[in-house]
Amino acid sequence: EAQVTQNPRYLITVTGKKLTVTCSQNMNHEYMSWYRQDPGLGLRQIYYSMNVEVTDKGDVPEGYKVSRKEKRNFPLILESPSPNQTSLYFCASTQDRGSDTQYFGPGTRLTVL
Amino acid sequence: AQSVSQHNHHVILSEAASLELGCNYSYGGTVNLFWYVQYPGQHLQLLLKYFSGDPLVKGIKGFEAEFIKSKFSFNLRKPSVQWSDTAEYFCAVNKAAGNKLTFGGGTRVLVKP
Repeated sequence: EAQVTQNPRYLITVTGKKLTVTCSQNMNHEYMSWYRQDPGLGLRQIYYSMNVEVTDKGDVPEGYKVSRKEKRNFPLILESPSPNQTSLYFCASTQDRGSDTQYFGPGTRLTVL
Repeated sequence: AQSVSQHNHHVILSEAASLELGCNYSYGGTVNLFWYVQYPGQHLQLLLKYFSGDPLVKGIKGFEAEFIKSKFSFNLRKPSVQWSDTAEYFCAVNKAAGNKLTFGGGTRVLVKP
């Protein structure tokens, strides 16, 4: 089954404690993205990757890092989380960045105390 | 920078009522347009998309959307809603061959049985 998986699904942490949210897709897609969803703001892109070792900033990259060492995986790293990063995070992948449908993961609800 | 506006943040209606959700975008060039739906507790799923051709697009579950280029709009419609249409709906725009999908703020729709 074609899917995007994320782990963990829920996470409560404290300010400053480094964390990683994993994302994996089994569709051999080249293009992957991370979004955060906040009430009234919709989804905002954090980072995207067009292929292995190719990443770029989205609209709200501050406080986040990503890596793309393998085509299927695109982890999101928060080196020093802060309360304003409390949000719902979605990973997505697509074969054609311009016109194709994006496939979303189930989401990770992060709370930073 | 492109932006997407969804006019209604919350919509409450009864079963069998008609639904129309507004979406306007700011980019003047060629765009690809999407409506995604997020059912309670689930990830985003594609409802329909427009790339070119007939500006009236039909999607899943009886939804349709009309692209009006002169108004920079891509409104979503359903003639008769069901309780199961309770969800949050997101309009999204991508420049043709662009790297970034820009989402509107979302509209929460509650259908009363």
